[in-house]
Amino acid sequence: NAGVTQTPKFQVLKTGQSMTLQCAQDMNHEYMSWYRQDPGMGLRLIHYSVGAGITDQGEVPNGYNVSRSTTEDFPLRLLSAAPSQTSVYFCASSFGTAYGYTFGSGTRLTVV
Amino acid sequence: GIQVEQSPPDLILQEGANSTLRCNFSDSVNNLQWFHQNPWGQLINLFYIPSGTKQNGRLSATTVATERYSLLYISSSQTTDSGVYFCAVDLPGAGSYQLTFGKGTKLSVIP
Repeated sequence: NAGVTQTPKFQVLKTGQSMTLQCAQDMNHEYMSWYRQDPGMGLRLIHYSVGAGITDQGEVPNGYNVSRSTTEDFPLRLLSAAPSQTSVYFCASSFGTAYGYTFGSGTRLTVV
Repeated sequence: GIQVEQSPPDLILQEGANSTLRCNFSDSVNNLQWFHQNPWGQLINLFYIPSGTKQNGRLSATTVATERYSLLYISSSQTTDSGVYFCAVDLPGAGSYQLTFGKGTKLSVIP
């Protein structure tokens, strides 16, 4: 049981490049979400999904795109990377709001 | 949106000491969770506690929903307790799945 797996762990992008952060879970959780963490801040919600085929925006969705074609996978796409997107990105999953969340180990992204 | 305030922002403890971390929130919530982020960045769910009291070993948490605060108690602290403790809440209502995090309390336990 691997839990929530995020890849890559580290990434450096040039401004304007695009990339996809991968997130996969093997716990059959319906709910998945993406957060970003900036220094001195708590985590802020980017996008979330309550099941395959259903996604919605969180607090800071601009510049990011998501899709949920399967229960297991929830990739986060950066359309045109900007230095303001330099951050640590966490994926999380849960059975639902009444349950605890399991987080992946994070992806540290630097945009230069 | 809902405001989540944690105090203190920083805390330094001698190993073996006890501590209390506080989380205040500005509205009624459906879900309150405490997380520990270790020095390597891993986030661990400690408690799901929208109301009442729970205990897990040396850690316990109490949420008084009517007064909109939660407390995390750490007893006999160890160096492995170091890291940042986050409180997170979400709003009541159908389909509300958005956790709002506080800025955290950074705990340093020194030997």
